[in-house]
Amino acid sequence: GENVEQHPSTLSVQEGDSAVIKCTYSDSASNYFPWYKQELGKGPQLIIDIRSNVGEKKDQRIAVTLNKTAKHFSLHITETQPEDSAVYFCAARGSRDDMRFGAGTRLTVKP
Amino acid sequence: EAGVTQFPSHSVIEKGQTVTLRCDPISGHDNLYWYRRVMGKEIKFLLHFVKESKQDESGMPNNRFLAERTGGTYSTLKVQPAELEDSGVYFCASSQSRNGRGYTFGSGTRLTVV
Repeated sequence: GENVEQHPSTLSVQEGDSAVIKCTYSDSASNYFPWYKQELGKGPQLIIDIRSNVGEKKDQRIAVTLNKTAKHFSLHITETQPEDSAVYFCAARGSRDDMRFGAGTRLTVKP
Repeated sequence: EAGVTQFPSHSVIEKGQTVTLRCDPISGHDNLYWYRRVMGKEIKFLLHFVKESKQDESGMPNNRFLAERTGGTYSTLKVQPAELEDSGVYFCASSQSRNGRGYTFGSGTRLTVV
């Protein structure tokens, strides 16, 4: 099955700086890569996703890049704000349609 | 529309006791998933229902865990007897289409076994 590795486990940035979270996956047939944001006391919420037929997708301050050859994908948050502080999870849907998640990154944006 | 609802939100039980977690998916969502996150680790897949049928239960840790989805609506996850290593946050998620966009998650049930 699919195996997803996520780094770093914690990330602290100054407000206004950029944050980058990286994930790798093992199943070369994986075709869908969502990112989730989990705020305190809530469940993970989908913030952006990318399919394997594109290399980059952007939504305002959030962007995701995908390198299928290297089997890695990244989340980029620009102009970070304190409300971006949360735990972020990457995920990959494998060839068996199973969704596997990374271990999460705790992002802290310091004002 | 109402989201995915889970209860209880927290449960503290003693080792050896039984606990039942409940998940109400979004109405009309045939796919229902159970996941668990042990502190600091990945959100780990437990099982997947399509309507009332177990599509994939390869992530269930052992036979102390029993999941049901009678009638294809809400689902329950029973742990009996609970062990210390069962502690974690149990998430339920639902989706309308298996190949669609990501899942909608509930807020989770934080289970602590003491």
